[in-house]
Amino acid sequence: DQQVKQNSPSLSVQEGRISILNCDYTNSMFDYFLWYKKYPAEGPTFLISISSIKDKNEDGRFTVFLNKSAKHLSLHIVPSQPGDSAVYFCAASDDNYGQNFVFGPGTRLSVLP
Amino acid sequence: NAGVMQNPRHLVRRRGQEARLRCSPMKGHSHVYWYRQLPEEGLKFMVYLQKENIIDESGMPKERFSAEFPKEGPSILRIQQVVRGDSAAYFCASSPYGINTEAFFGQGTRLTVV
Repeated sequence: DQQVKQNSPSLSVQEGRISILNCDYTNSMFDYFLWYKKYPAEGPTFLISISSIKDKNEDGRFTVFLNKSAKHLSLHIVPSQPGDSAVYFCAASDDNYGQNFVFGPGTRLSVLP
Repeated sequence: NAGVMQNPRHLVRRRGQEARLRCSPMKGHSHVYWYRQLPEEGLKFMVYLQKENIIDESGMPKERFSAEFPKEGPSILRIQQVVRGDSAAYFCASSPYGINTEAFFGQGTRLTVV
């Protein structure tokens, strides 16, 4: 049973436009959410996080929105740049879940010049 | 401050051999996580360790896999009697506190079983 879902395996966006990556989760105990970006042959790198006490967190071109009632979060990248092309993983953690992170399957973003 | 260091980057083993994957966490980090990424899949949690302790190994296969994080030295993920299905990228991550903090990942070890 997949606790963290990213239903879009891939997404293509034109350079300069907004990229929206979605993530849904099923475990209502999750209270901390992270986004990681991964380039081929490299480890994931942390991008941005959000705690369940917030509904929005912004860092430069990246904004994460959390809708707890819908168990949904999204990552907005604006404006999108070709260097943003990567696989984006959504991850969630719960203090009561062994303090580990549960990752979604990832969404491959392609930003077209 | 060097990042999370994993070695080797690539490891080839024949079926039945042992694979040892090493992970040196970032300086000051005492929490280590191991993840496995199978081809075309996301990152699957395997085990979470603090120094000398296994905190959560719910993602570890029951047989052939073990992990340790000794007081001194790197964390080791050990796979005995490897099989073709063990071929994957294994990522290690570390964090300073473990609770609601981002983890920093190494570049991974790509294990190929031939």
